[in-house]
Amino acid sequence: GENVEQHPSTLSVQEGDSAVIKCTYSDSASNYFPWYKQELGKRPQLIIDIRSNVGEKKDQRIAVTLNKTAKHFSLHITETQPEDSAVYFCAASVDNYGQNFVFGPGTRLSVLP
Amino acid sequence: SQTIHQWPATLVQPVGSPLSLECTVEGTSNPNLYWYRQAAGRGLQLLFYSVGIGQISSEVPQNLSASRPQDRQFILSSKKLLLSDSGFYLCAWSVIEEFGNTIYFGEGSWLTVV
Repeated sequence: GENVEQHPSTLSVQEGDSAVIKCTYSDSASNYFPWYKQELGKRPQLIIDIRSNVGEKKDQRIAVTLNKTAKHFSLHITETQPEDSAVYFCAASVDNYGQNFVFGPGTRLSVLP
Repeated sequence: SQTIHQWPATLVQPVGSPLSLECTVEGTSNPNLYWYRQAAGRGLQLLFYSVGIGQISSEVPQNLSASRPQDRQFILSSKKLLLSDSGFYLCAWSVIEEFGNTIYFGEGSWLTVV
């Protein structure tokens, strides 16, 4: 089955700097890769996603890149702000049934003022 | 638009007591439904998923069970809680969309077993 690894487990950056979180997956059939942000005590919320037919997607300060050959994808946050502090989860899925939806272990991002 | 409701939001239960968490989805039909558990400071552990009424698949052996009596209703239960059952329980739903089978989470239920 699918296995998703995520690095680093914790990340601290200064406000205004960039943050990068990387994930790798094992199942070459995976073709959908969302990212979730979970603030303390709240539910995970989708912030950006990418499909396998696209190499990069950007939404304001957030971007995701995908390398299907290497089976890894990354989240990039530019000009970080204190409200970006949260736990970020990557996931990999095959677009048929959600039982193949596998999450990474999470990255705790701290943006220092 | 689609919404998901999950309750109760918090509960404190003694060891050995029963548990019932309920989740309903509105604004969609025949969704995939999921129960996840998150221990404090940890990742998301898939407990159960369902692709239809009465169809439940379990990912992890445990003293929990799930039921789907109606299309948009998903219930997580236990006959006797253990201390290790404490955690943040998240109901979630998804439908196969044009651009991906995205999962959306409910607000979550904090369970403390004492």
